[in-house]
Amino acid sequence: DAGVTQSPTHLIKTRGQQVTLRCSPKSGHDTVSWYQQALGQGPQFIFQYYEEEERQRGNFPDRFSGHQFPNYSSELNVNALLLGDSALYLCASSLAGWGVWQPQHFGDGTRLSIL
Amino acid sequence: QKEVEQNSGPLSVPEGAIASLNCTYSDRGSQSFFWYRQYSGKSPELIMSIYSNGDKEDGRFTAQLNKASQYVSLLIRDSQPSDSATYLCAAISNFGNEKLTFGTGTRLTIIP
Repeated sequence: DAGVTQSPTHLIKTRGQQVTLRCSPKSGHDTVSWYQQALGQGPQFIFQYYEEEERQRGNFPDRFSGHQFPNYSSELNVNALLLGDSALYLCASSLAGWGVWQPQHFGDGTRLSIL
Repeated sequence: QKEVEQNSGPLSVPEGAIASLNCTYSDRGSQSFFWYRQYSGKSPELIMSIYSNGDKEDGRFTAQLNKASQYVSLLIRDSQPSDSATYLCAAISNFGNEKLTFGTGTRLTIIP
């Protein structure tokens, strides 16, 4: 049973560029959340997708956008990259809770470095 | 004030001893609390969840919640070198709002 898979593992970009990160959820899961984890910090919630729509959003600028596909996989897009966007980007999948919290399973992340 | 705060550590504990990790939260509406373990370079792994005041035990791990004091803790008994990791405390405000709010984590090292 495959867990949450993310690609690529590592990525190096320069300021001003755009990047797309990809996530395949754990089998049977329909909800995908994205988190940003800066070095030495806890993960910060970016947004969550369910049924191909953004369900919740954290305190991140519009440069961060996402998409969920019919097969529940998801992409995170970041435009106009800044040095401060350097971080580990984590994808977590779960079943939609609707009043019952469902555990979120994390992928191993994409390490993004901005030069 | 951060919503979820943890002692940043690092915390060093001898093998076989009890490791005690603490977390406080500011949002009184927080309903549920979680402890994640994160090995260096790896993803967070859920090890304990607690929803009600009191203690919850699972093997060598015990989570404690005191909503009046807005305090959550994790005890690890008989600490093993494999317990060396960063431990993240997280909270959600209510069921249905599945956004996890994490603390900055406490780095734990078990000394053989």
